[in-house]
Amino acid sequence: DGGITQSPKYLFRKEGQNVTLSCEQNLNHDAMYWYRQDPGQGLRLIYYSQIVNDFQKGDIAEGYSVSREKKESFPLTVTSAQKNPTAFYLCASSRTETYEQYFGPGTRLTVT
Amino acid sequence: AQSVTQPDIHITVSEGASLELRCNYSYGATPYLFWYVQSPGQGLQLLLKYFSGDTLVQGIKGFEAEFKRSQSSFNLRKPSVHWSDAAEYFCAIATSGTYKYIFGTGTRLKVLA
Repeated sequence: DGGITQSPKYLFRKEGQNVTLSCEQNLNHDAMYWYRQDPGQGLRLIYYSQIVNDFQKGDIAEGYSVSREKKESFPLTVTSAQKNPTAFYLCASSRTETYEQYFGPGTRLTVT
Repeated sequence: AQSVTQPDIHITVSEGASLELRCNYSYGATPYLFWYVQSPGQGLQLLLKYFSGDTLVQGIKGFEAEFKRSQSSFNLRKPSVHWSDAAEYFCAIATSGTYKYIFGTGTRLKVLA
């Protein structure tokens, strides 16, 4: 089955540590996205990438970094510079000729 | 600036009752419009979309939405709600030439048995 996988589903880290969230898709989509979801705030765009080796900052990129070395993969690193990293993180992908985004199941990150 | 407003944070309906979730957007032209549903702790699933043409669009799970240009609205409806429809619903827009979505803050639906 084609789809988007995110791992792990739950992630716990100590404050001050960097952590990388995985996102893989086998839909052959060109574009991939990372969102952060907090209660009552909807989804906010962190980074997006329309082609391999290229990505753009979204609305809340500070404290995050990404890479896009392969079409299928778009990992997100939450750095120690992110002041409030505890949140639910969603990855999505889409074909560039359509506007439909398909979402992964999400990773809940808790930093203490 | 572009924005999406979902004025109802929570809605409670009885099973079998009709449902309408409101969505208004702010944009200088007609955007691409979407409704997504999210069950607790899960990702988002696309219910339906509007790009152009017939302003009444049908989606999955018995949902439909109507685009009204004069009101900048894209309200989601269902004639008879099932207990399994309890979830959070998000309206989103995308604008031509960009691939970024702007999401509303969501409406949480509770269904009473």
